Amino acid sequence: DQQVKQNSPSLSVQEGRISILNCDYTNSMFDYFLWYKKYPAEGPTFLISISSIKDKNEDGRFTVFLNKSAKHLSLHIVPSQPGDSAVYFCAAKSGSARQLTFGSGTQLTVLP
Amino acid sequence: DVKVTQSSRYLVKRTGEKVFLECVQDMDHENMFWYRQDPGLGLRLIYFSYDVKMKEKGDIPEGYSVSREKKERFSLILESASTNQTSMYLCASYRAGELFFGEGSRLTVL
Repeated sequence: DQQVKQNSPSLSVQEGRISILNCDYTNSMFDYFLWYKKYPAEGPTFLISISSIKDKNEDGRFTVFLNKSAKHLSLHIVPSQPGDSAVYFCAAKSGSARQLTFGSGTQLTVLP
Repeated sequence: DVKVTQSSRYLVKRTGEKVFLECVQDMDHENMFWYRQDPGLGLRLIYFSYDVKMKEKGDIPEGYSVSREKKERFSLILESASTNQTSMYLCASYRAGELFFGEGSRLTVL
């Protein structure tokens, strides 16, 4: 039973436009959420995170929104650049746990 | 910067062979993890360790074991490799709510 779900395996966006990647979770104990980005043949790298006490966190072109009542979060990338083409993983943790639970990932392709 | 190093980027092994995947981190982190990544399944936790000689099973520990003899080193062992263990293996260490990953080890079992 997947506790973190990314229902879109892939997304294509034109350069300069907005990319919106979605993530749903089922475990109400999750209180900290992260997005990781992964290029082929490399390990995932941390992108941005959000605590459940917030509903928005912004870092440059990247913004994460959290809707706790819907158990939904999204990552917005504006403007999208070809170098953003990668697999994006949503992850969640609860309380003091160190382990993260990951979604299945979304392949983002930004077209020049 | 945190550095997590996985000793082998690419391995090809035969069914039944014993496989060691080594991981070293240089930031004195107590917590280390082994994940595998498969298309459509994301990252799944195999084992993790909170301290030297401590280990905990993750979501898919079957067919794997681990060793943590020193704080900086966390090894994943496949006692008898099988074709369904062909995958990308990712080691990570933990600090302040964030995982730091190595570059991954692509294992192919023939």
